Amino acid sequence: QVQLVESGGGLVKPGDSLRLSCEVSGFSLSGHFVSWIRQAPGKGLEWISYSSASGDIRKYADSVKGRFAVSRDNAKSSVFLQLNSLRVEDTAVYFCVRHGCSSEWCELDYWGQGTPVTVAS
Amino acid sequence: DIQMTQSPSALSASVGDTVIITCRASQNLNAWLAWYQQKPGNAPRLLIYKTSKLESSVTSRFSGNGSGTEFTLTISSLQPDDFATYYCQQYNNYPLTFGGGTKVDIK
Repeated sequence: QVQLVESGGGLVKPGDSLRLSCEVSGFSLSGHFVSWIRQAPGKGLEWISYSSASGDIRKYADSVKGRFAVSRDNAKSSVFLQLNSLRVEDTAVYFCVRHGCSSEWCELDYWGQGTPVTVAS
Repeated sequence: DIQMTQSPSALSASVGDTVIITCRASQNLNAWLAWYQQKPGNAPRLLIYKTSKLESSVTSRFSGNGSGTEFTLTISSLQPDDFATYYCQQYNNYPLTFGGGTKVDIK
């Protein structure tokens, strides 16, 4: 069955960096866009980035542009999100999410369980 | 950015009730609208995509409708498992944006 499993979250200080990983199984990663979506404590959902199926196209929300970087290794069935210059307002659960087709214009059909990131001094 | 406005933000309902949640977009979505259910401590789950298409394994008690900028999610014969928070999301344009959520709890 389709699974996405995030890891790498934790407690860091403002200005620190983290690298989140998302390991997928049950489908071919090379056939799907993958987005990262976050949810601050008690708040709604915010899309922050996607990686195209081949990894050559990446898009970011303005709130993280220049600080976060998405990448992938299709051979290892993994997607990564590098979080740099972290701010208190980046505190959230980060979800790795599969697009339901090989395009950016798709519903988000499978979600990982999320990995929490807390930024505090 | 496309703004998504859900209403109500919360509602109380009883088992067996029919519930309707509305989502309004700040511009035409060309039917690229999805609905998700989220329970506390869990990831969201896709229920409806392209306005009215039911995701596989989702009960037909959920249905979606709408066009342009106005969309609805209807839950018929509400069951205990349906008490959760529901989000609409547009994928007509980037950044993808979500409604603020509607929390459905037990009356």
